[in-house]
Amino acid sequence: AQKITQTQPGMFVQEKEAVTLDCTYDTSDQSYGLFWYKQPSSGEMIFLIYQGSYDEQNATEGRYSLNFQKARKSANLVISASQLGDSAMYFCAMRADNYGQNFVFGPGTRLSVLP
Amino acid sequence: DAMVIQNPRYQVTQFGKPVTLSCSQTLNHNVMYWYQQKSSQAPKLLFHYYDKDFNNEADTPDNFQSRRPNTSFCFLDIRSPGLGDTAMYLCATSIGRDEKLFFGSGTQLSVL
Repeated sequence: AQKITQTQPGMFVQEKEAVTLDCTYDTSDQSYGLFWYKQPSSGEMIFLIYQGSYDEQNATEGRYSLNFQKARKSANLVISASQLGDSAMYFCAMRADNYGQNFVFGPGTRLSVLP
Repeated sequence: DAMVIQNPRYQVTQFGKPVTLSCSQTLNHNVMYWYQQKSSQAPKLLFHYYDKDFNNEADTPDNFQSRRPNTSFCFLDIRSPGLGDTAMYLCATSIGRDEKLFFGSGTQLSVL
């Protein structure tokens, strides 16, 4: 079975500082993809960043980077220079090759950026 | 510029009264998904279509049905909504097994 764990229900960060959101995963598949999505209060799920299980380098997208540690099965999201607009729910998700088309989502972390 | 469009944004229905939520896409993606997201929870997959092939999750209630008349449109039908069906319903699309999901803005359903 596939499972995503996000141990931080809520996080606070000061504006302009960096923050790390934790994600660990469990899968027996060798090939899988890891994703982070942002969900503002409006409800839409916004794709942030993707890491493939065979990618040797950590993914980066602007202010977002993914700290991928395969042996530890962790895929932490790092947001640099936090902005007030970063306040939202953040979901880590996984798609495994042997699990069909399903994404498995973690429970989410609510990030609040303080002015 | 919208790519995955869900209508309506908010829907209120009465207990037991059938309701249909709609989703359309301009991306020409072959996979379309319906997720249910209850308050403060992660999205939960209800079913998905790979082209015309319908794939139901094992724990999706029989009360929930879906139709995909063509590539662009997909509908979620709830035949007899219960109070526990109050949730955000998210439609998403993807192309290929390794691609990210593109989400619509969701329909917030309230069952009274």
